Amino acid sequence: KQEVTQIPAALSVPEGENLVLNCSFTDSAIYNLQWFRQDPGKGLTSLLLIQSSQREQTSGRLNASLDKSSGRSTLYIAASQPGDSATYLCAVNNYGQNFVFGPGTRLSVLP
Amino acid sequence: DADVTQTPRNRITKTGKRIMLECSQTKGHDRMYWYRQDPGLGLRLIYYSFDVKDINKGEISDGYSVSRQAQAKFSLSLESAIPNQTALYFCATSDLRTGSYNEQFFGPGTRLTVL
Repeated sequence: KQEVTQIPAALSVPEGENLVLNCSFTDSAIYNLQWFRQDPGKGLTSLLLIQSSQREQTSGRLNASLDKSSGRSTLYIAASQPGDSATYLCAVNNYGQNFVFGPGTRLSVLP
Repeated sequence: DADVTQTPRNRITKTGKRIMLECSQTKGHDRMYWYRQDPGLGLRLIYYSFDVKDINKGEISDGYSVSRQAQAKFSLSLESAIPNQTALYFCATSDLRTGSYNEQFFGPGTRLTVL
């Protein structure tokens, strides 16, 4: 059974810092991995999708990497801004299976 | 207009009442999902459907039922609501057919309170 964990559970940084969020999964036979952002009480917004054949994806200040063999993905946020404050979730999709979500990392970027 | 919509957005009901949450999508996706989110428990899958004639139970289906009325519509019902069904409910869609690699897209959520 796929299990997904995220470290750290919460993170507080001053504005302008570069930061890394971590996602680990136990079953490396994945189809894709998706990173989401969730603002309090709101829906999930898709940030990046990495297919199993890819090593990384970039969108603006965001870069996500995937290492299937070690069961890890990282989300790198460059030059963080207060507007980046949110909860970040990763979700893993195994072949023919559904998505398994991590518990999330709650990020606070202080002005 | 949003690609995935949910109605109602907020609902307060009483124990024992029947309630239906509705989800509609304009993305043309074949797969639809219902999740609930509780503080400290993350997102948990209730039911999912890979096409109109396909309905599958998820991790926590007890006390819930669903109906896939059309490719674009997927409804979640609570036959007799109980207080521990108080949660934030999300509908999501995805598609493997169009080269979108099963990327999931979420609706805005329904906040349900059962008194």
